Amino acid sequence: AQSVTQPDIHITVSEGASLELRCNYSYGATPYLFWYVQSPGQGLQLLLKYFSGDTLVQGIKGFEAEFKRSQSSFNLRKPSVHWSDAAEYFCAVGPFGNEKLTFGTGTRLTIIP
Amino acid sequence: NAGVTQTPKFRVLKTGQSMTLLCAQDMNHEYMYWYRQDPGMGLRLIHYSVGEGTTAKGEVPDGYNVSRLKKQNFLLGLESAAPSQTSVYFCASKSGTRGKTYEQYFGPGTRLTVT
Repeated sequence: AQSVTQPDIHITVSEGASLELRCNYSYGATPYLFWYVQSPGQGLQLLLKYFSGDTLVQGIKGFEAEFKRSQSSFNLRKPSVHWSDAAEYFCAVGPFGNEKLTFGTGTRLTIIP
Repeated sequence: NAGVTQTPKFRVLKTGQSMTLLCAQDMNHEYMYWYRQDPGMGLRLIHYSVGEGTTAKGEVPDGYNVSRLKKQNFLLGLESAAPSQTSVYFCASKSGTRGKTYEQYFGPGTRLTVT
């Protein structure tokens, strides 16, 4: 069975600081990995995805993520956060064809001035 | 394109009442999904559909029924609401072209409170 762990429930960073959100997955075959962002009161928006190829993937809003098979991780990074990045972030894993996704429990990001 | 829309946005029910949540998508997607989101639990899949006329159970299907009579619509029904069904419900859809993998697109959510 596939599973996703986001070990950090809540992270606070200063505006302009760098950010790394952790995601570890468990999946028996080649995983298809996603990061979604949810702003307060909104639905989920796709930030980036990894299907194959280059293990460093670029997404929207200046985010990137690196797939590390040996560590079963897909951590999300941003070099300099903006106040508008305050939101909840979800990592998800699915099989080829992506019929069903399994989501992590989310990491809430707070930005302080 | 409107993408994925959900009706209603908010609803308050009394225990035992019934209701139907409507999800509509205008992207001609084959797959549609209903999730519930509860604090500290992420998104959990309730039911999903891989095409018109088909439905399947997800992780937490008990107390819910679904129907996909038209490709663009996916209905979620609660026959007898319980306080444990208080949650935010999200609908999603994705393309199902064989041999390819696509991301899911989400609606804005429906906040349901059962008293």
